[in-house]
Amino acid sequence: NAGVMQNPRHLVRRRGQEARLRCSPMKGHSHVYWYRQLPEEGLKFMVYLQKENIIDESGMPKERFSAEFPKEGPSILRIQQVVRGDSAAYFCASSPVHDPGPFGPGTRLTVL
Amino acid sequence: GESVGLHLPTLSVQEGDNSIINCAYSNSASDYFIWYKQESGKGPQFIIDIRSNMDKRQGQRVTVLLNKTVKHLSLQIAATQPGDSAVYFCAENRKGSQGNLIFGKGTKLSVKP
Repeated sequence: NAGVMQNPRHLVRRRGQEARLRCSPMKGHSHVYWYRQLPEEGLKFMVYLQKENIIDESGMPKERFSAEFPKEGPSILRIQQVVRGDSAAYFCASSPVHDPGPFGPGTRLTVL
Repeated sequence: GESVGLHLPTLSVQEGDNSIINCAYSNSASDYFIWYKQESGKGPQFIIDIRSNMDKRQGQRVTVLLNKTVKHLSLQIAATQPGDSAVYFCAENRKGSQGNLIFGKGTKLSVKP
């Protein structure tokens, strides 16, 4: 039973480009959570989604960031017009219920 | 010993000794707490959890203590091994927040062989 999968593991973008981060939850998990981690800091909650619904986006920046979890396929965290301050590790976690579940290995985004 | 500064607090212990990592949480409404271990370049790994109706929970070589009066959480690791070297985070889940975890800043545990 594979764990939470994230890809790509490393992503390099130039300022102004778009970044798309993918999260495939564990089999049978319909809840996905996205977190961001800056160097030497704890994780910060961004958004919580169930299939086709955003449940809590209180941690998402108001502009440039969006997330989706379609009926089929992985959850996508999309960052438009990236800036250097978006450089961070982005982690997702999945769960069969609305309690925290296991985390994926993360995507490390570097904005040049 | 433990030091706190602009960087992560660091705890350095000798292999075989016991480690105690501390965490202060922020909200008395939090009802669920988790300790995570994060190795370099990896995602957080669940270690042990505790609900607010308990004050102690034991796992394999690990014990979590919860003091709700002073909003303090600790993780004890018995017979610390080099493989325990990592950054440890506590996380709190506020009642009704549905998986929106609030993470502490983390403590870096360094085990000397």
